[in-house]
Amino acid sequence: EAGVVQSPRYKIIEKKQPVAFWCNPISGHNTLYWYLQNLGQGPELLIRYENEEAVDDSQLPKDRFSAERLKGVDSTLKIQPAELGDSAVYLCASSPGSADTQYFGPGTRLTVL
Amino acid sequence: SQQGEEDPQALSIQEGENATMNCSYKTSINNLQWYRQNSGRGLVHLILIRSNEREKHSGRLRVTLDTSKKSSSLLITASRAADTASYFCATANTNAGKSTFGDGTTLTVKP
Repeated sequence: EAGVVQSPRYKIIEKKQPVAFWCNPISGHNTLYWYLQNLGQGPELLIRYENEEAVDDSQLPKDRFSAERLKGVDSTLKIQPAELGDSAVYLCASSPGSADTQYFGPGTRLTVL
Repeated sequence: SQQGEEDPQALSIQEGENATMNCSYKTSINNLQWYRQNSGRGLVHLILIRSNEREKHSGRLRVTLDTSKKSSSLLITASRAADTASYFCATANTNAGKSTFGDGTTLTVKP
């Protein structure tokens, strides 16, 4: 069974540029999460989807971050414009349902110069 | 702020010794999960313990849960150098529909 796929693995951009991350969850998983992880810290939830509906986006900085989950499968997370403080690892995870075991992708390491 | 908090922040032991990490949380939970993260990688699920369970084993891992004290512990027995990683606990509340992670314990196992 394929795991959670994320791309790209690494991204370096200059501040004020846009950037997008893509996630393909495990087949059949209804719940999809995007997390931000800073060095030495645990993952912080940005947004959680139940199928195609964003049910928890309270921590998503909506002035510059947006996300979508088309047809309740793949998801993209976008930042526009990126700021220096956005440098971090962006993790995608999926689970059969909310509060179940989460399966994580390898993450995208973003560096904003 | 994170709900789950791991203790200690860092732990360094010799190969063959046991490693114990603790997790404290604040609100009611349905289950608690432990994850491992190797440097530069995503998190890998280790074990899930439900709120009505007190102890659970998986290979060299033993997890306990004390809901009265709102705490959990992860014991790794006979540690190996390959166990070197960061370990996170995540508390899950079905009503809230999400899990909340702590900042982890960084374990170093010296060969």
